[in-house]
Amino acid sequence: QGQLRESGPGLVKPSETLSLTCTVSGGSISFYSMTWIRQTPEKGLECLGNIYYDGSTKYSPSLKSRVTISADTSKTQFSLRLRSVTAADTAVYYCAREGENYPRWYFDLWGRGTLVTVSS
Amino acid sequence: EIVLTQSPATLSLSPGERATLSCRASQSVSIYLGWYQQRPGQAPRLLIYDASNRATGIPARFSGSGSGTDFTLTISSLEPEDFAIYYCQLRSNWPPTFGQGTRVEIK
Repeated sequence: QGQLRESGPGLVKPSETLSLTCTVSGGSISFYSMTWIRQTPEKGLECLGNIYYDGSTKYSPSLKSRVTISADTSKTQFSLRLRSVTAADTAVYYCAREGENYPRWYFDLWGRGTLVTVSS
Repeated sequence: EIVLTQSPATLSLSPGERATLSCRASQSVSIYLGWYQQRPGQAPRLLIYDASNRATGIPARFSGSGSGTDFTLTISSLEPEDFAIYYCQLRSNWPPTFGQGTRVEIK
């Protein structure tokens, strides 16, 4: 089956925009939604938002004003943009699939994750 | 907001022993709870969904139980690769939320 891989800058300056891409490789995959999840030692695992197959999006209320998730037309690349970052946004960022074979909002396929550090 | 509390924070056991991990919700969540395993340097892996259903490819030594506010993940006989961190995850509300994790370490 396909795999997910996150990519993007590992270092972002405070107040700037964090931009990451999740790329599907190894074959196409079906999905109900693709979700961005981040992990920090302090807050643990946190869902940022997702994009459904029809292109609609849903964001965490706590981050809604700063987050944008999008997908390319082929649905093989999914992007995360997080604006006005601070040190609290330092985390490992994952993209994860909400698979069609499970009930809503379980994540059955994850990327390896990418560490983003916010620092000047 | 529903809070998930996992206990214990750390479980020290030997290979072959039985592991019992707990996840408690601050209010009833029916069966809308899952479990993930995270090994060092890896992403979480879905083990159990909706309290008691094993995900595809998950060995039978992993089982889940519970409903309402109290849930349990049981590993019947620990294999070396089972020493990891385990998270519960709630899907009854958006956004899905995770517990803080239980580390299962080698005694």
